[in-house]
Amino acid sequence: KAGVTQTPRYLIKTRGQQVTLSCSPISGHRSVSWYQQTPGQGLQFLFEYFSETQRNKGNFPGRFSGRQFSNSRSEMNVSTLELGDSALYLCASSPSGTSGNAQFFGPGTRLTVL
Amino acid sequence: AQSVTQPDIHITVSEGASLELRCNYSYGATPYLFWYVQSPGQGLQLLLKYFSGDTLVQGIKGFEAEFKRSQSSFNLRKPSVHWSDAAEYFCAVGINQAGTALIFGKGTTLSVSS
Repeated sequence: KAGVTQTPRYLIKTRGQQVTLSCSPISGHRSVSWYQQTPGQGLQFLFEYFSETQRNKGNFPGRFSGRQFSNSRSEMNVSTLELGDSALYLCASSPSGTSGNAQFFGPGTRLTVL
Repeated sequence: AQSVTQPDIHITVSEGASLELRCNYSYGATPYLFWYVQSPGQGLQLLLKYFSGDTLVQGIKGFEAEFKRSQSSFNLRKPSVHWSDAAEYFCAVGINQAGTALIFGKGTTLSVSS
């Protein structure tokens, strides 16, 4: 099976712009989660989507949003970019909505905000 | 509040020596616990997970971890370290029943000396 894929791998934006990142989960996986990784804050949970519905949400401002499509692919959007949004954004997928899942991570999208 | 603490920021171990990486968690219910490894420029790879049952869990690459509820710990061990084990290791606790929303520790960087 192909792993989790994320596009683009690298992105450079300027402050105030918005950005959309894409994640394609492993085939058959219905849950997609997003994480932000920075040197200062480490790995932080953004949100999780399951069957096109946001099921869990981390402690991030409303500028961070996401959605999931019927084929389980997911996008996350960051509006009004700030310098502090520079980070590696990781997407993870897992098979189902029941207990006992493990997540499989993609390689990430490296976002640089200038 | 849920949290994960990895007390050691950086550890250096000689090749062939044993390894133990510490992890303490704070979580009110029965935790779902994970160890992930991240090599430079790579995404996160799952080493092992604990959901229930036997408190000693085996993972990939010869790693194992032991869940100790009384100590709120989930330490990672390997009897003999290889140079290719040099990487950053993350302990995480799942904060939802599905295990798809993770709180990560800050990570421990492992260096292997020859």
